[in-house]
Amino acid sequence: DAKTTQPNSMESNEEEPVHLPCNHSTISGTDYIHWYRQLPSQGPEYVIHGLTSNVNNRMASLAIAEDRKSSTLILHRATLRDAAVYYCIAGGTSYGKLTFGQGTILTVHP
Amino acid sequence: DGGITQSPKYLFRKEGQNVTLSCEQNLNHDAMYWYRQDPGQGLRLIYYSQIVNDFQKGDIAEGYSVSREKKESFPLTVTSAQKNPTAFYLCASSPGLVGYEQYFGPGTRLTVT
Repeated sequence: DAKTTQPNSMESNEEEPVHLPCNHSTISGTDYIHWYRQLPSQGPEYVIHGLTSNVNNRMASLAIAEDRKSSTLILHRATLRDAAVYYCIAGGTSYGKLTFGQGTILTVHP
Repeated sequence: DGGITQSPKYLFRKEGQNVTLSCEQNLNHDAMYWYRQDPGQGLRLIYYSQIVNDFQKGDIAEGYSVSREKKESFPLTVTSAQKNPTAFYLCASSPGLVGYEQYFGPGTRLTVT
């Protein structure tokens, strides 16, 4: 898996959009970009993933740079339930293994 | 209601004892995984299984063993050979190995004293 770099923490206000950045400059052409989030003492929750094109689902949007060296997870309207650690993973092509780094702690203020 | 379950949520054992953690899924997924998470750290892969009766070592398999006799079940045994077994253990499943999302269970927190 490619090394990813994320900010240690970010803050947002409720009902505002949140843009969580991730750098993965050593990503290979077959590496997927995955985002998961995790609450304390719970298993990670899948958020979104993509390969080359931007992706949307009911939880979030994933914007992938044209050179694929970076991506941004977009939460369109943050809620208090979105407060979690967000992990960006670039890889998953080696038998599906996901290499979780330190992630970004997202705090959402009411 | 489809999902992945792990039991128990908390487990306490004495040093030198083997312990088996349960993981069951009713999502009809072929692939299953075991990860370990230490405080403040990301997840590390212990074992994975692509199909029934097949499993492979991940990055930190030493001191662990698994079996995959049924599609829906992938139990993990933490043996006495595992030097630092106290951790949060997470099981996941996926429709396939590459390019799919993984669904995680709630985890088992194992404490060995």
